[in-house]
Amino acid sequence: KAGVTQTPRYLIKTRGQQVTLSCSPISGHRSVSWYQQTPGQGLQFLFEYFSETQRNKGNFPGRFSGRQFSNSRSEMNVSTLELGDSALYLCASSLDVRPSGDEQFFGPGTRLTVL
Amino acid sequence: AQTVTQSQPEMSVQEAETVTLSCTYDTSENNYYLFWYKQPPSRQMILVIRQEAYKQQNATENRFSVNFQKAAKSFSLKISDSQLGDTAMYFCAFDSGGSNYKLTFGKGTLLTVNP
Repeated sequence: KAGVTQTPRYLIKTRGQQVTLSCSPISGHRSVSWYQQTPGQGLQFLFEYFSETQRNKGNFPGRFSGRQFSNSRSEMNVSTLELGDSALYLCASSLDVRPSGDEQFFGPGTRLTVL
Repeated sequence: AQTVTQSQPEMSVQEAETVTLSCTYDTSENNYYLFWYKQPPSRQMILVIRQEAYKQQNATENRFSVNFQKAAKSFSLKISDSQLGDTAMYFCAFDSGGSNYKLTFGKGTLLTVNP
């Protein structure tokens, strides 16, 4: 069974631009979560989607948004990019809606650099 | 709000020896889940071990075991017979299981296994 895939793997953008990241979960997984990983802040929860609905959201500004499609694939969008948005963005999928203690399976991440 | 603290930013151990990584957390929840995830250099995050708070027995997965002290809110990871492939960033994570759930990560411990 294929793992979680994320595209693109690397992105370079300039301040003020917008970016869309994509995540394809493991087949059969319905929950997709997004995390931002930086050296200073570590891993921070962005949001989680289940059955095309956002179930929970972390403490990030409205410039960060996401959506989930009927096939469970998810996208996240960051508008008006800032230098501080440079990070590794991780997507994780799990079988069912949390909280269930399910293991989350992580993708390789998208490395976003904002210049 | 839940917090997860890993007090050891970096650790090193000799191959074949045993090492313990520390993690403490703060929560008012009674039922929750705890995880240790491993992120090898430039590779995907994978689950090492999982503990359900209502289970008193400490979880074990081959060379990996935990010491779960619920009253002390402590969740340490012991790696026995350390191998070079254990070199990675290790993250302790907390899943509250409540209505406002999210996976909260500690800052991580960089473990280096030396030959």
